[in-house]
Parts: sequence; structure tokens; C-alpha cells
Amino acid sequence: SYELTQPPSVSVSPGQTARITCSGDALPKKHAYWYQQKSGQAPVVVIYEDNKRPSGIPERFSGSSSGTLATLTIGGAQVEDEADYYCYSTDSSGNHIWVFGTGTKVTVL
Amino acid sequence: EMQLVQSGAEVKKPGESLKISCKGSGYSFSSYWIAWVRQMPGKGLEWMGIIYPVDSETRYSPSFQGQVTISVDKSINTAYLQWSSLKASDTAMYYCAREAHALDVWGQGTTVTVSS
Repeated sequence: SYELTQPPSVSVSPGQTARITCSGDALPKKHAYWYQQKSGQAPVVVIYEDNKRPSGIPERFSGSSSGTLATLTIGGAQVEDEADYYCYSTDSSGNHIWVFGTGTKVTVL
Repeated sequence: EMQLVQSGAEVKKPGESLKISCKGSGYSFSSYWIAWVRQMPGKGLEWMGIIYPVDSETRYSPSFQGQVTISVDKSINTAYLQWSSLKASDTAMYYCAREAHALDVWGQGTTVTVSS
């Protein structure tokens, strides 16, 4: 079955840039989405369709995708950005089957 | 306000059946797919499957095919996730979410605990 691979953890100092990668074979043809999940809360979408930011999401969150790698960038990370982040995409079958990435714990300290 | 409200926490024994619900409001429920997502304790998100309320078209992750059943009653704007015989390994938080341009509206989650 299709897999999306992320690094388990990323650490960043406040105000610095955090980059989280997501690797998947179908990403050259399929959009990537990014979800933030804070402890004890439901996930929230922070980036959709590779690089679009929903209303209400701070501008410091941005997304990009090139080849088999999608990247979520938090430019000027804040303490409140500490959370788990998951990429999300679909395989190339066209069957509307989706998968989450393995997840990345972002620590801001 | 668009929202999905899920049914309350459940405590069940292995072998028992269970059906949890997800009720939508504040938007045209039938116009959007509803996905179900599992999160086992201390683990990541897992996409289980998705259903389209208009015609009940359903897709399952290969990992969950045959293990659960997703259904919908569009007359009451409610989607369901059910098990016929629970296992201890079904212990998890289960979320429903609306699929628009992304999974943009999430339920609050339903905790399912399966223990003898």
C-alpha cells in the first residue's frame, strides 16, 4: 500500500525556520496537504493543494512540492506551533484512497 | 457554523458490536464526502475510509477493508462507523472529517475502549 514518509522529529528555536519533509512516489502527480495536531485536539489543516493556506492560518506556514518531496515550512516558528504535523495525499490509482504520513513532532525551544 | 458532532465515548468488551456516529450541521451535508480517521493511543493518524452521502459510495483503506463498515443516513445528516466484533486493538480515538478542498471540518473525536 502507498506510504508517505516524514522525519519523526524536528526541533527549532523560536523565530527560526522549521522545515518538514514528506516523501511519496505519487507526489509528482498528486497534491500534498498538511495537518497540525496539538496535544488532545483534533487535527487542523494548515496547507492544502501543496501550497494554499486556509483562512485563519498564519502566513508563517507555507508549503511547496517538487518531485517526490513535499515540504511544510514554518518561517519564524512560535512556541504555539509546537505540535505533530502530518502530510496527507492520495496514491496514483485514482480510487479516492488517501493516506497520512508517518507524522513529525515539532518542538520549539 | 459548520460542525461535525460525534457520539460519546464507548467502553466495550471484545467481541461486542458498536456503531458510532457523526452528525453534520451548518452546511449542505450531502454535498461533501465524510472521512473516518483512527488514532491509536500515542500513535499517528490513519485514514480508514470515506463515504459520499448522496449515493453512499464508499472507499476503504486496504488496512481497514472488511474490518469496519462505513454508512450514512443523509435524511438526518449523519455518518456512521461500525464494528461487528470488536478487538482490543480497536481501542483508539476515531475522528470524522468533511472533505472539501481538504479535510476542513473535523468532529471532536470519539474514544473507543475495548477491554475485557
